[in-house]
Amino acid sequence: DIVMTQSPDSLAVSLGERATINCKSSQSVLNSSNNKNYLGWFQQRPGQPPKLLIYWSSTRESGVPDRFSGSGSGTDFTLTISSLQAEDVAVYYCQQFYSTPHTFGQGTKLEIK
Amino acid sequence: EVQVVESGGGLVQPGGSLRLSCAASGFTFSNHWMSWVRQAPGKGLEWVAIIKKDGSEKNYVDSVKGRFTISRDNTKNSLYLEMNSLRAEDTAVYFCARVGTTTGWGEDVWGKGTTVTVSS
Repeated sequence: DIVMTQSPDSLAVSLGERATINCKSSQSVLNSSNNKNYLGWFQQRPGQPPKLLIYWSSTRESGVPDRFSGSGSGTDFTLTISSLQAEDVAVYYCQQFYSTPHTFGQGTKLEIK
Repeated sequence: EVQVVESGGGLVQPGGSLRLSCAASGFTFSNHWMSWVRQAPGKGLEWVAIIKKDGSEKNYVDSVKGRFTISRDNTKNSLYLEMNSLRAEDTAVYFCARVGTTTGWGEDVWGKGTTVTVSS
């Protein structure tokens, strides 16, 4: 199974500042046949189901604010929130879709400083 | 409105069985792979199982193989998770999720979840 490891486990950022979350996979999730990284990012607010933010490592899902961006390739990925808003307080998860089981990272809890 | 709604959770004794259901509406159910994802109390997300659009292909996380069975009925727009030989560590909120057709296998529609508690 592919192991997904996120860092940090928790993060406190001031409103309007940048938040950066990292995700590392134990093996590459890049499909060389289509040059796509099978990696997504989810946001889970307290008491809510997860919400897909990013897929193909860097493509924003429809309706997701452009302050959210994803980057990376192969085994190393980053989710960046360019200017933190109060509603961004949540736990963020990366997930690989390269092979089953489609494993998640352990989550990163994002709070306001 | 595009939505999925889970049901069937509850309290069950260790070794018992439970069948979860997920009712889909607002989209063409048979066009989508579907997944189950669970979340133990205070813990992270764990992918459990996935089923192909026509039900011909299924995959599971190792911890549930041989105990859980994912299935679907496209005539009823419904997804199921049959859970047998339940253990305390299966206690979780179980989410039904639609796999998007353009989201690189990302689950783009989620239900609110149904709670399964395995305890004597």
